[in-house]
Amino acid sequence: EPEVTQTPSHQVTQMGQEVILRCVPISNHLYFYWYRQILGQKVEFLVSFYNNEISEKSEIFDDQFSVERPDGSNFTLKIRSTKLEDSAMYFCASIGRASGGVDEQFFGPGTRLTVL
Amino acid sequence: QKEVEQDPGPLSVPEGAIVSLNCTYSNSAFQYFMWYRQYSRKGPELLMYTYSSGNKEDGRFTAQVDKSSKYISLFIRDSQPSDSATYLCAMSARVTGRRALTFGSGTRLQVQP
Repeated sequence: EPEVTQTPSHQVTQMGQEVILRCVPISNHLYFYWYRQILGQKVEFLVSFYNNEISEKSEIFDDQFSVERPDGSNFTLKIRSTKLEDSAMYFCASIGRASGGVDEQFFGPGTRLTVL
Repeated sequence: QKEVEQDPGPLSVPEGAIVSLNCTYSNSAFQYFMWYRQYSRKGPELLMYTYSSGNKEDGRFTAQVDKSSKYISLFIRDSQPSDSATYLCAMSARVTGRRALTFGSGTRLQVQP
């Protein structure tokens, strides 16, 4: 069964460093998302991406964040200068059709980002 | 007031019990309601969705929405140890999965054999 994959599974970085989180959405999916989940807190929407541009973003997604689909398969989230509070699990998701014809967001396993 | 409120639990039940998980919400714009299951160190996995008030059944799972009370529920019948996970309610302001999802904080369920 096709699935969303994410790399790395765990990333440790120093405060102020740039990180790039990578996702390979399910092929033929067209809508892509990043969410994050700080330990013990709820899953929060960051950004959605369609047709090579951002279609929606949250207040969390400030100038330190950027997304890119550099080729036909990868979808990346870049954090330019990491802060301690960026430590979280980052989930990538892509849209496909659930049974009944409704769109379903399929989530990857996540990348745990630890900022020291 | 938080947009979506969900009791974090943990909720511990014996195998075979009926489990009731609930969320309340404040945003009247929400139209599309989902329940996700999340196992430890995994991404959320869609269990059920609905976009109208009333009940929707799928095997041992029943999703219930009461838009007038802004209240949704997930019932699990004949609970199994494999149901042990965190259950997240999620909502969207459009009847489509393409909009950003707003999640509850998740309820951790433990089903004891």
